[in-house]
Amino acid sequence: EAGVTQFPSHSVIEKGQTVTLRCDPISGHDNLYWYRRVMGKEIKFLLHFVKESKQDESGMPNNRFLAERTGGTYSTLKVQPAELEDSGVYFCASARGTTSYNEQFFGPGTRLTVL
Amino acid sequence: AQSVTQPDIHITVSEGASLELRCNYSYGATPYLFWYVQSPGQGLQLLLKYFSGDTLVQGIKGFEAEFKRSQSSFNLRKPSVHWSDAAEYFCAVGAGYSSASKIIFGSGTRLSIRP
Repeated sequence: EAGVTQFPSHSVIEKGQTVTLRCDPISGHDNLYWYRRVMGKEIKFLLHFVKESKQDESGMPNNRFLAERTGGTYSTLKVQPAELEDSGVYFCASARGTTSYNEQFFGPGTRLTVL
Repeated sequence: AQSVTQPDIHITVSEGASLELRCNYSYGATPYLFWYVQSPGQGLQLLLKYFSGDTLVQGIKGFEAEFKRSQSSFNLRKPSVHWSDAAEYFCAVGAGYSSASKIIFGSGTRLSIRP
């Protein structure tokens, strides 16, 4: 089966611009997660969808970040307006249902550079 | 709050030598523990996981890890490394009581292999 895919692989934008990152989870996976790694630090959780609902968005840094998962399939993460500190690698992961342990499968990440 | 510490930022070992990567965690209950690996240009791949039971867990690519509750540690080991093991390794803990909860990562250890 196809893995988690993310688009674009790289994005370079100016401060103040808007960027939208996309994640396509593995087909049939209800759980979708966004994580971010900034400046070589640890990978940090941003939010978790179960189908189209936000289960946990405690890691979203501020209201410049907006995540959606319309229809419970792919997800987008929009940053508007982007700031320098938003630079980093954004990972998406997906997992099956929650009745037992379900491995989170990660995508290759989107490297975002804000100049 | 849950946290994960990987004290070694960068380790270099000779090909064929043994390897141990250190990980300490902070968590109130019995944790879900993971080791992930990220090779250049790739997403995060799960090497192994611990939930309960036998404290020595076997993973893919010849890796193993031992859960030591008394030391709050979950060190990763491999008896003989190969050049293809050069990558960044992340220790992580499942942060909630659900198997679908978010994952908290350590800051990573970069492994280089000396020919």
